[in-house]
Amino acid sequence: GAGVSQTPSNKVTEKGKYVELRCDPISGHTALYWYRQSLGQGPEFLIYFQGTGAADDSGLPNDRFFAVRPEGSVSTLKIQRTERGDSAVYLCASSPNPGAYNEQFFGPGTRLTVL
Amino acid sequence: AQTVTQSQPEMSVQEAETVTLSCTYDTSESDYYLFWYKQPPSRQMILVIRQEAYKQQNATENRFSVNFQKAAKSFSLKISDSQLGDAAMYFCAYRDDRGSTLGRLYFGRGTQLTVWP
Repeated sequence: GAGVSQTPSNKVTEKGKYVELRCDPISGHTALYWYRQSLGQGPEFLIYFQGTGAADDSGLPNDRFFAVRPEGSVSTLKIQRTERGDSAVYLCASSPNPGAYNEQFFGPGTRLTVL
Repeated sequence: AQTVTQSQPEMSVQEAETVTLSCTYDTSESDYYLFWYKQPPSRQMILVIRQEAYKQQNATENRFSVNFQKAAKSFSLKISDSQLGDAAMYFCAYRDDRGSTLGRLYFGRGTQLTVWP
């Protein structure tokens, strides 16, 4: 598979629980992005990695959200003490380079439902 | 902050006909990129077409073309000879190379396109 993959496809959890969402970018892509898409909305930026480091995390809504990319490939988005308002589709995208010209290739997303 | 506005929540078109989706944006930058993405029910975002702001010529990709009006900050998508497979949510998006926001895409709220046989 040459595309961006995300696991799980769907995740149902209870309020207050901890969740991890995984993103496998296209091999060789140095830039990785996380977006959140709430119902009826367009995707909103959360965080951007260049290599292993978070180059821009200004979109994370609060300190319950955290993301890592320890080896510069796979990334994990972590949400602590989930709230019902966290329910959304979480999209991951990767790009060969971070420049604005470069296409971002999206994964199919993880639909998170917090009961 | 950059904003992208899609004023048409829903549009419909007859198969083989032409439809235009509207998008406006707000920015103080002179160099930037504009995109139209398609999102079918599978949730996979697919790039349809891209426009560089410094290019005056409108981008075209087969049946898809744009009308880019830089002064008016308008970026509409025209789909010709519509096909059933074109039915999806369409998002307009903006991106620039400013150091503080390098990488992020700004999306509109989307337009749901229905194609009737």
